[in-house]
Amino acid sequence: NAGVTQTPKFQVLKTGQSMTLQCAQDMNHEYMSWYRQDPGMGLRLIHYSVGAGITDQGEVPNGYNVSRSTTEDFPLRLLSAAPSQTSVYFCASSYGGVVDTQYFGPGTRLTVL
Amino acid sequence: GENVEQHPSTLSVQEGDSAVIKCTYSDSASNYFPWYKQELGKRPQLIIDIRSNVGEKKDQRIAVTLNKTAKHFSLHITETQPEDSAVYFCAALPLGKYIFGTGTRLKVLA
Repeated sequence: NAGVTQTPKFQVLKTGQSMTLQCAQDMNHEYMSWYRQDPGMGLRLIHYSVGAGITDQGEVPNGYNVSRSTTEDFPLRLLSAAPSQTSVYFCASSYGGVVDTQYFGPGTRLTVL
Repeated sequence: GENVEQHPSTLSVQEGDSAVIKCTYSDSASNYFPWYKQELGKRPQLIIDIRSNVGEKKDQRIAVTLNKTAKHFSLHITETQPEDSAVYFCAALPLGKYIFGTGTRLKVLA
C-alpha cells in the first residue's frame, strides 16, 4: 500500500491564482481530512469527509473547497490564492470512522506571493 | 468554540529523564485524545491515544493519562532518548472534528 499520497510536494502561486492540491489513499479509509500547519499554531482542520459524497467544514474553511466523489480521493481547491494561505497542507485518513488512527500524507508546502 | 491548550511550548530534558506534556480541552463532548509526534520536515505520526472511558494507557516508555472531570490529559515519556526529540501535538475530538494543540518542541540533551 502507498498509504496517503499528496501532490505536489511544493507549489508557488501568485495572489489570485487557483489550484488543486491532490490527496489519495489506497487503504479504503472512509474518513479523510485536510489540515494546514503554520508555525506556532499546530494543525488546523480545513475540511473533512466521513465518506464519498459527504463533506463538512472544519475550523478554517474560508477560501477552500473540497469534494469527495470517490472513497480514494479528496482534493482541496484554493479558489483565489492569498498570501495568508501560505502554509504546509496535510491530508489525513482513517479507517474506522473518526475515532481511529489518522494517517497523514507527506504534506504540500504552498507559498503564495 | 472548541479549544485545546497545550503546555509547555518548549521542553528541554537530559537524556534519561522524564518529560511531561499537558493539554486541556474545552468541549466535554470530546471522547478521543490522540498524541502525535512530528520530526522536522516529516508528517505527524500517532504515538499513543486514549478514549474517554479509560484513565491511563501505557506503551513501553510512553503513557497517557486522562482526567475527564478536569478536562485535561497528559503525555509522559520516561527514560528519554535523543530520538525522542521532536514536536508533539495533542488533539481532542469533539463532535467529529479534530482540534489540535499548538505543539510542544521537546529537546533531549545528550
